[in-house]
Amino acid sequence: AQSVTQLGSHVSVSEGALVLLRCNYSSSVPPYLFWYVQYPNQGLQLLLKYTTGATLVKGINGFEAEFKKSETSFHLTKPSAHMSDAAEYFCAASFYTGGFKTIFGAGTRLFVKA
Amino acid sequence: KAGVTQTPRYLIKTRGQQVTLSCSPISGHRSVSWYQQTPGQGLQFLFEYFSETQRNKGNFPGRFSGRQFSNSRSEMNVSTLELGDSALYLCASSGGTAGENTIYFGEGSWLTVV
Repeated sequence: AQSVTQLGSHVSVSEGALVLLRCNYSSSVPPYLFWYVQYPNQGLQLLLKYTTGATLVKGINGFEAEFKKSETSFHLTKPSAHMSDAAEYFCAASFYTGGFKTIFGAGTRLFVKA
Repeated sequence: KAGVTQTPRYLIKTRGQQVTLSCSPISGHRSVSWYQQTPGQGLQFLFEYFSETQRNKGNFPGRFSGRQFSNSRSEMNVSTLELGDSALYLCASSGGTAGENTIYFGEGSWLTVV
């Protein structure tokens, strides 16, 4: 069965520090991988996605993620955190099962300290 | 290009009532999926529709149902509401040039059952 695991339900960083949010997936078939961000009282916004090709993917707001097949990981990073990055982040994987089905990790809430 | 539109944004219902939520996908998207988001359970997949047919279904009781119209707009219905149905219901659409593997979310409908 496919699954997505996010390590750490809460991550706290100082403004200007590196952001690292971890995501691992389990799948018998190659998935498409995504990161979404959710600000309070809003829906989920697509940050970036990996489908095929280059394994380092750049997204919006300075975020990027690297697909590592050997580690079944898709960690999200940003070199320098900004106060506006405080939000909940969801890793997701999409699998084709007669139609694409997307499953989500439990989410990681990012806190940014001044 | 307009995003995914969900109505109503907020609603309060009484236990035992039923509710219908509406979703208009991004123009050109033919797949619509629904998710329930709660603090305890995270994002749970409800069902996915494509060309008016339910293609995938999550593990929710039969009280939760949906449909899709010929213009790709979708509705979901919850009958005999329970307190535990209080949640953010998110609609997402996919298709068009971005491909079916990438889903885009609406702002959600906040349902409170009292």
